[in-house]
Amino acid sequence: EVNMVESGGGLVPPGGSLRLSCAASGFTFSTYWMHWVRQAPGEGLVWVSRIKTDGTSTDYADSVKGRFTISRDNAKNTLYLQMNSLRADDTAVYYCTRSLRWYFDLWGRGTLVTVSS
Amino acid sequence: QSALTQPPSVSGSPGQSVTISCTGTSSDVGNYNRVSWYQQPPGTAPKLIIYEVSNRPSGVPDRFSGSKSGNTASLTISGLQAEDEADYYCTSYTSSSTYVFGTGTKVTVL
Repeated sequence: EVNMVESGGGLVPPGGSLRLSCAASGFTFSTYWMHWVRQAPGEGLVWVSRIKTDGTSTDYADSVKGRFTISRDNAKNTLYLQMNSLRADDTAVYYCTRSLRWYFDLWGRGTLVTVSS
Repeated sequence: QSALTQPPSVSGSPGQSVTISCTGTSSDVGNYNRVSWYQQPPGTAPKLIIYEVSNRPSGVPDRFSGSKSGNTASLTISGLQAEDEADYYCTSYTSSSTYVFGTGTKVTVL
């Protein structure tokens, strides 16, 4: 079955760090660009970051540039998001999603990150 | 990068048609045919319903259709059904090599 499962969310104080993971299965992970998209409670979707198939190219939204790092391990079929210097406005459900071209055709269920003291 | 502009809500009776607009700029919607649409019922993950402006993935009913004119893309739901009640989001690739989502539209079936 084609599936992606996020993990690693939780409660973290402002200024703290967290690493999210996204385990993929049922498809050839290494052939897809991978992305993180977040959604604050009651708010809309916001694109966060993407990484090329082989991990050699990454892009970030301005709001997370310099604080978040996306990476992947194609041998483990896993996507990561290292989040540092977390702020209250980073509180959101974080979804991993994939793209073959310019659209997101498969989504995980998301993991909740709460930044609060 | 500012979010693409969508109406906060649209509504219609079963069987009617509704159209959701998605307005961007010449750096995103207007410059690429890389607009896609997603349906998100409450408490669930988004689901792709339209890609590359007007293409439907396998399994998506043909009552969903997409189009684009200039800096504005549109999603039309024809023959509205109760199960179509959800939030809808557009997204576009941008000239900054990023993506931008729309503000989201809540569709209510009366």
